[in-house]
Amino acid sequence: DVQMTQSPSSLSASVGDRVTITCRASQSISTWLAWYQQKPGKAPKLLIFKTSSLESGVPSRFSGSGSGTEFTLTISSLQPDDFAIYYCQQYKSYPYTFGQGTKLEIK
Amino acid sequence: EEQLVESGGGLVQPGGSLRLSCAASGFIFSNYWMSWVRQVPGKGLEWVANIKDDGGEKYYVDPVEGRLTISRDNAKNSLYLQMNSLRAEDTAVYYCARDLNEYSGSDKDGFDIWGQGTMVTVSS
Repeated sequence: DVQMTQSPSSLSASVGDRVTITCRASQSISTWLAWYQQKPGKAPKLLIFKTSSLESGVPSRFSGSGSGTEFTLTISSLQPDDFAIYYCQQYKSYPYTFGQGTKLEIK
Repeated sequence: EEQLVESGGGLVQPGGSLRLSCAASGFIFSNYWMSWVRQVPGKGLEWVANIKDDGGEKYYVDPVEGRLTISRDNAKNSLYLQMNSLRAEDTAVYYCARDLNEYSGSDKDGFDIWGQGTMVTVSS
């Protein structure tokens, strides 16, 4: 199975900050990576697919990059609505696997 | 509006069975692969299984293989997860999701539509 490891596990930041979350795969997954945002009590929401493609309706302050085994999700200027948990997911091979999540908290 | 609504969760004893349902609306259900994803409260996401648009292919994560069975009824726009021989470690919120990763009909990937989730608790 492809293991996905996110860092950091939690992060405190302020509104307006630029934030980067890293996701590492245990083997190459090319660019078959998605990012999700989850708020308490809610289902996850797709933000980015294929490493860098923005889902429709997602603000352009979100961006993704990487390939192979290292990927990043960047939020260019944090907004109050962005405080949530973020998960990466590989879909290069079965079983699909998620990272453990990064909790983004208000400083 | 494209929507998924899960039902069927509840409390079940270890070794027991449960069937989850996921009703789809607002899109052509029979065109899409579908997945189940679970989440232990307070923990991360775990992909459980998926099924091809015509039901002809199914994939599972190892811990559920042979105990949980994914199926669908395209005439009823419904996805199912039959859960047998349940264990305490199956306790989680179960989400159904539209799975675009194998879908050839667009350039999009990912799980783009999710239900609200249904809680399954396995306990005596």
